[in-house]
Amino acid sequence: QSVLTQPPSVSAAPGQKVTISCSGSNSNIGNNYVSWYQQLPGTAPKLLIYDNNKRPSGIPDRFSGSKSGTSATLGITGLQTGDEAYYYCGTWDSSLSDVVFGGGTKLTVL
Amino acid sequence: EVLLVQSGAEVKEPGESLKISCKGSGYRFSTYWIGWVRQMPGKGLEWMGIIYPRDSDTRYSPSFQGQVTISADESINTAYLQWSSLKASDTAMYYCARRLGYCTSTCPPDFDYWGQGTLVTVSS
Repeated sequence: QSVLTQPPSVSAAPGQKVTISCSGSNSNIGNNYVSWYQQLPGTAPKLLIYDNNKRPSGIPDRFSGSKSGTSATLGITGLQTGDEAYYYCGTWDSSLSDVVFGGGTKLTVL
Repeated sequence: EVLLVQSGAEVKEPGESLKISCKGSGYRFSTYWIGWVRQMPGKGLEWMGIIYPRDSDTRYSPSFQGQVTISADESINTAYLQWSSLKASDTAMYYCARRLGYCTSTCPPDFDYWGQGTLVTVSS
């Protein structure tokens, strides 16, 4: 059971927009920055978003992050078949003194 | 170009010791935190701990404290993850990753560069 809750799967058609939610509590998302990762099959995770809404260089602006209270959201617009992957949210948990991740969301681009 | 290159796959028996490595290049290794992340087969990401090579300041996840040792040798730009006595439940892919900024009292998982992963299989 993950500390952060993500939907197991989401799907949308090519060109459409999808959002992936990440729900936590005051000890983690509520008071700490959130990161988002994309993991393509058989590869290492890739940082998409850090500090809630910042994109590392090279990450297209199709990917966006937001946070409100104890929840965070990853948005992906202009979906491509190459976006099919698992997506993970992560943050620091001040009560646990630990990094916590969501269980991951599988994105299917139909 | 920033690169993190990890040591190759390992097959070990329960009770054996193991040390895997992560060599950084293309940046000033000593001034970026290096973290380790476990991914068990078919499962999600688990943060194990992190080290600052310049002074070896090391933070462990409570879940992994006492189970593994994280170290680094800044003279050869290499970080390590080691076990003294492996269990079958240690079978997993292990990734090293470079953290974007400095860890203070908090250390969110902002890892901008990752190694290719080291698959560790523990089986009798």
